[in-house]
Amino acid sequence: DAGVIQSPRHEVTEMGQEVTLRCKPISGHDYLFWYRQTMMRGLELLIYFNNNVPIDDSGMPEDRFSAKMPNASFSTLKIQPSEPRDSAVYFCASSLAGPGTGELFFGEGSRLTVL
Amino acid sequence: AQSVAQPEDQVNVAEGNPLTVKCTYSVSGNPYLFWYVQYPNRGLQFLLKYITGDNLVKGSYGFEAEFNKSQTSFHLKKPSALVSDSALYFCAVREIGRDDKIIFGKGTRLHILP
Repeated sequence: DAGVIQSPRHEVTEMGQEVTLRCKPISGHDYLFWYRQTMMRGLELLIYFNNNVPIDDSGMPEDRFSAKMPNASFSTLKIQPSEPRDSAVYFCASSLAGPGTGELFFGEGSRLTVL
Repeated sequence: AQSVAQPEDQVNVAEGNPLTVKCTYSVSGNPYLFWYVQYPNRGLQFLLKYITGDNLVKGSYGFEAEFNKSQTSFHLKKPSALVSDSALYFCAVREIGRDDKIIFGKGTRLHILP
């Protein structure tokens, strides 16, 4: 398996622009997580899905952020409009069903820079 | 709500010496506990987990961790450090029966001195 695939790896954009980050989880994994990593705040859980359904989005910073999972093999995280404080590395991770597993498989991340 | 604390931002260890990276957790029920490692410009990689059973868990690359329920700790250890162990280490917790969130600590940078 190719692992979790994220795109783009790097994105540089100007304040006010829309940003869309993409993720393809490992086939057969029922859970998908979006995390954001910054020096100041560490690794923050933004939202997670179970069987394509958003379960908890309490970590989404504000209404400018939205995430979708239209099918089992694709998810997007959208920021509109983007702001400089959104600059971070965004990670997608997936895991098998059930709390007894828990091992997350991470993508390589999307490094976002908002100017 | 569950939480994880890694009290040290950075740990420096001489190559060949034993290393310990500390982690404490807070949950209202029983935890699943994990350690992950992150190398520069890469995603996190799973090292080991505690679910139940033996309090000493062995994982990848010679790492192990000890679950201590009374101290709510899950420290990562290795008997003999390698320069290649230098990386950012994250402790994480998932609360059994509550939800499926996995919450990470802020990370500890491990620096192995040659």
